[in-house]
Amino acid sequence: DGGITQSPKYLFRKEGQNVTLSCEQNLNHDAMYWYRQDPGQGLRLIYYSQIVNDFQKGDIAEGYSVSREKKESFPLTVTSAQKNPTAFYLCASSTGTSGEQFFGPGTRLTVL
Amino acid sequence: GENVEQHPSTLSVQEGDSAVIKCTYSDSASNYFPWYKQELGKRPQLIIDIRSNVGEKKDQRIAVTLNKTAKHFSLHITETQPEDSAVYFCAASRGNYGQNFVFGPGTRLSVLP
Repeated sequence: DGGITQSPKYLFRKEGQNVTLSCEQNLNHDAMYWYRQDPGQGLRLIYYSQIVNDFQKGDIAEGYSVSREKKESFPLTVTSAQKNPTAFYLCASSTGTSGEQFFGPGTRLTVL
Repeated sequence: GENVEQHPSTLSVQEGDSAVIKCTYSDSASNYFPWYKQELGKRPQLIIDIRSNVGEKKDQRIAVTLNKTAKHFSLHITETQPEDSAVYFCAASRGNYGQNFVFGPGTRLSVLP
């Protein structure tokens, strides 16, 4: 479980502010993902990256941005353009061949 | 694009009984179907998966079946125990690219003592 970490665990933001969620993995995985989880809904894909310096939009990318400058790191920025950002955010990584995704412990973001 | 439905949304069973959760998917090119278990406040963890060239897979008390023609797959848990209580998510790969998934909305399973 310690292979993929997220910080902070809880994050509070005022409306109009951008915030950045951290995701780090030491599993040597090529692919990384960001999901949003809301009550009663499954995990919805925000962005994913298959390789360093490359990433693609998922199903709900509006109001979010990412970067992938290092293999180990895939930070997510929640911008002020995201209309309803309060949610549980999960980062995941995979080898790129096995299919299985390993999840981090999540960050719970609350907009005040 | 791929769409995954999951039923039921909640399921209560007596300890020792079996539980079955069903999912349907829309993309006939999907070739990888994982199941994740998420305990309260914790991260999702893979419990079993199946690829499209296999019809059934078992791992102790857990099994998954896949019907490619009907585009549905099911999770079967036998001899349920209280520690099986959690939210279970099915997922299907987008097309034949096995890494990128669409998740179902989840099933909250409660195992009653």
